[in-house]
Amino acid sequence: QVQLQQWGAGLLKPSETLSLTCAVYDGSFSGYFWDWIRQPPGKGLEWIGEVNHSGGTSYNPSLKSRVTISVDASKNQLSLKVRSVTAADTAVYYCARGWQQLVLSSWGQGTLVTVSS
Amino acid sequence: QSVLTQAPSASGTPGQRVTISCSGSRSNIGSNFVYWYQHLPGTAPKLLIYRNSQRPSGVPDRFSASKSGTSASLAISGLRSEDEADYYCAAWDDSLSGVVFGGGTKLTVL
Repeated sequence: QVQLQQWGAGLLKPSETLSLTCAVYDGSFSGYFWDWIRQPPGKGLEWIGEVNHSGGTSYNPSLKSRVTISVDASKNQLSLKVRSVTAADTAVYYCARGWQQLVLSSWGQGTLVTVSS
Repeated sequence: QSVLTQAPSASGTPGQRVTISCSGSRSNIGSNFVYWYQHLPGTAPKLLIYRNSQRPSGVPDRFSASKSGTSASLAISGLRSEDEADYYCAAWDDSLSGVVFGGGTKLTVL
């Protein structure tokens, strides 16, 4: 399976902007669904949003006002920005790729983001 | 509170068959496909089942799933110690216009 590589700041203060990037190195970027999913400590998986195979975006309604997911096809990169973070945004964040919606067969390694003053 | 409801825990002994259930509503499971993921601590989730009952290549046929109405279930037969993990169901929700996950079921192999 294709490996996705993700990176970004792991420690943020409240009100800052979370920024993560996810890259695929096998050249296969277009035509897939790209998702961000997170897992807060001790809790279950939470869907953040996705970019579909046509470039359209969908977001979790509870996060929509603070989240932007975008792609840079020239760099084969996906990005996530979450504005005005609070402690509730502390989680392991994953990027994932699928050939169809929710058929997420390739995942990043996960990035722990901690929000603390 | 998750939109899809799963029992928080399940258990079985090696060789047994266990079933994990996922309950939703007409706007999610009742109208759309169900997907199942296996998640071991410290690793990325792994797709087990897509489109209600399809297994990706490489997933053993010990794993099977079905959907009926607004509920779905994942069955694991011939339980093995390496199956000990958290299992999540997921589906698109038409009312929310987004993906919803179940709260997860922690499977313990006794």
